[in-house]
Amino acid sequence: DAGVIQSPRHEVTEMGQEVTLRCKPISGHDYLFWYRQTMMRGLELLIYFNNNVPIDDSGMPEDRFSAKMPNASFSTLKIQPSEPRDSAVYFCASSFFGGSSYNEQFFGPGTRLTVL
Amino acid sequence: DQQVKQNSPSLSVQEGRISILNCDYTNSMFDYFLWYKKYPAEGPTFLISISSIKDKNEDGRFTVFLNKSAKHLSLHIVPSQPGDSAVYFCAASSNDYKLSFGAGTTVTVRA
Repeated sequence: DAGVIQSPRHEVTEMGQEVTLRCKPISGHDYLFWYRQTMMRGLELLIYFNNNVPIDDSGMPEDRFSAKMPNASFSTLKIQPSEPRDSAVYFCASSFFGGSSYNEQFFGPGTRLTVL
Repeated sequence: DQQVKQNSPSLSVQEGRISILNCDYTNSMFDYFLWYKKYPAEGPTFLISISSIKDKNEDGRFTVFLNKSAKHLSLHIVPSQPGDSAVYFCAASSNDYKLSFGAGTTVTVRA
């Protein structure tokens, strides 16, 4: 079975440009999470969705960041305009909680974003 | 505010010996704990978990111990193997679907 799929794997862009990161969760999973990993802050949760609906976006750093989940098999994280401090590895993860709030999350391979 | 702390950034251990990774947390509402393993250029993969109603959970070579009164958990890997060389993250949850991660510990298993 395919795991969580993220694209692109690497993105290099210039400051001010729009960046769109994509994620396909595991089929049947009802929760989707976006994380960012940096040396300074480690792995931090940005936003998560349940059944395509955003539940908690308190981790989104600022209005330049937005995330959507138009259907159960696709989500995007957009940064507009991008800044050098947005350089990080962005992970998407999905999970099926089945009525319980405790379960593992399955992570994609990540997108390494470099903003010049 | 780091609610989950892994104070040892790195650990070096000889093959066949025990690896012990430590994790401390500050939020008393956390009641589910997980360990993830991460290789370079890959996403974290789930290793083992423990609920706060238990103090030990074992899965093959991996055992997690939880001391709720001390807000401390540890991961034991016995015996350590070269393939265990990776970054290990401790994570915690408080019944809200969200995970708080520690900074990670890089384990190097020497042959």
